Order: sequence, then structure tokens, then C-alpha cells
Amino acid sequence: GESVGLHLPTLSVQEGDNSIINCAYSNSASDYFIWYKQESGKGPQFIIDIRSNMDKRQGQRVTVLLNKTVKHLSLQIAATQPGDSAVYFCAENNAGNMLTFGGGTRLMVKP
Amino acid sequence: GAVVSQHPSRVICKSGTSVKIECRSLDFQATTMFWYRQFPKQSLMLMATSNEGSKATYEQGVEKDKFLINHASLTLSTLTVTSAHPEDSSFYICSAKTGSNQPQHFGDGTRLSIL
Repeated sequence: GESVGLHLPTLSVQEGDNSIINCAYSNSASDYFIWYKQESGKGPQFIIDIRSNMDKRQGQRVTVLLNKTVKHLSLQIAATQPGDSAVYFCAENNAGNMLTFGGGTRLMVKP
Repeated sequence: GAVVSQHPSRVICKSGTSVKIECRSLDFQATTMFWYRQFPKQSLMLMATSNEGSKATYEQGVEKDKFLINHASLTLSTLTVTSAHPEDSSFYICSAKTGSNQPQHFGDGTRLSIL
């Protein structure tokens, strides 16, 4: 079936650098995408979302980019901090309002 | 806003015990809630969609008689793992939405350990 997936399982960055986490999706009919952050032992925390009529959306220190041509989604974190260390999931909102999650990328921030 | 509370956060019990997990939307009403299961170092897998006032919709491969879901009000859904066995040990997470085409907001999960 169609699914959402990630390229990199682990990303290690230096504190203060920018981080980019990538996600590929295969369902061209998807029109809503969400990034979640999950810390150890906790549930996923909403970070930012984007609808398919946009290609870029910015939040506080985070930017999501959507490239519908190649079905690619990315999350950019500016000035990465130790508190950003977590697993990041992209999710695709399907028909019926159900989420399909990617495999996750672990972000490790080195002091 | 959009706070989802899950209780308990951790359960350790003997094999054969039934365990109930509660999911509450604290500051909004949710006609639909979702139950996920997550194994270590893996992604979230949807188990079922809980609909207020009607039967839950289960994903393929999820036993509805094993995982009983009740959504009796607009702010509460419960998942009961009946006659739990060690293979049921996992991290169970619920979520709810404030409206259609809005993001799901998640509880902090329940770590279930069956001895």
C-alpha cells in the first residue's frame, strides 16, 4: 500500500547548527501533512503542519517544505538546541482523517 | 489548548489480567479518538478509530474482542486489553482531533508490561 517513509534513521548535529529531516511520501492524493516530535516515554507532540496548496510554512525556529512534484517533505530546525533531541515523525493525513506515520528519524544534538 | 490526557501512564500486571486505559480530551470535545500501539524504536501503528456513540473501527489484524474500545462521551474513550499476555506489552497511545482536517493531538501514552 502507499505509505510515508523517511530517508535517514538518525541525524546527529552540533548545537547551534541547522537540522534538516526529510520524508518521502507516495500517496499523491494526500493533501495534509504533519510533523511530530516524540521524546522518550512520551506521546508525539505536534510541531507544524502544511496543506498541499502550500509549499512552505514557518513556525518558531521550524520550517516545513513540501515538494509535491517529487512527493517530498522536509522539516528544518534553525539553531538546533539540546532540547530538540527526539524522534521526529512525518505523518500523512489520509481520506477518512487517519494518519499514516513515517518510520521516524532520531535527532541527536551534540553540545 | 488541545490537551489530551491518558491514564495510567504505566501498568505492570500479571498475565491474564485485563487492563483499562483511559483517554480524555481536557479542553475540547472529540467525536473521534484514535488508539495506537508503538513498539520500541518503531513508528506508531493505528489500532482502531473510536467513534462517540458507536462501534469502533478496527484496523486489519487487530482483534476487536482482545482490545475493547468504548467511547461513551465526547471527552472520554477507553481501551481495555482483555486477558493480557506478555506479547501485549507495548506502548499504547491515544489521540484526538479538534475538528476534521485538523492535526491529531496525542496523550503521553501508557506503558503496559505484562509479566
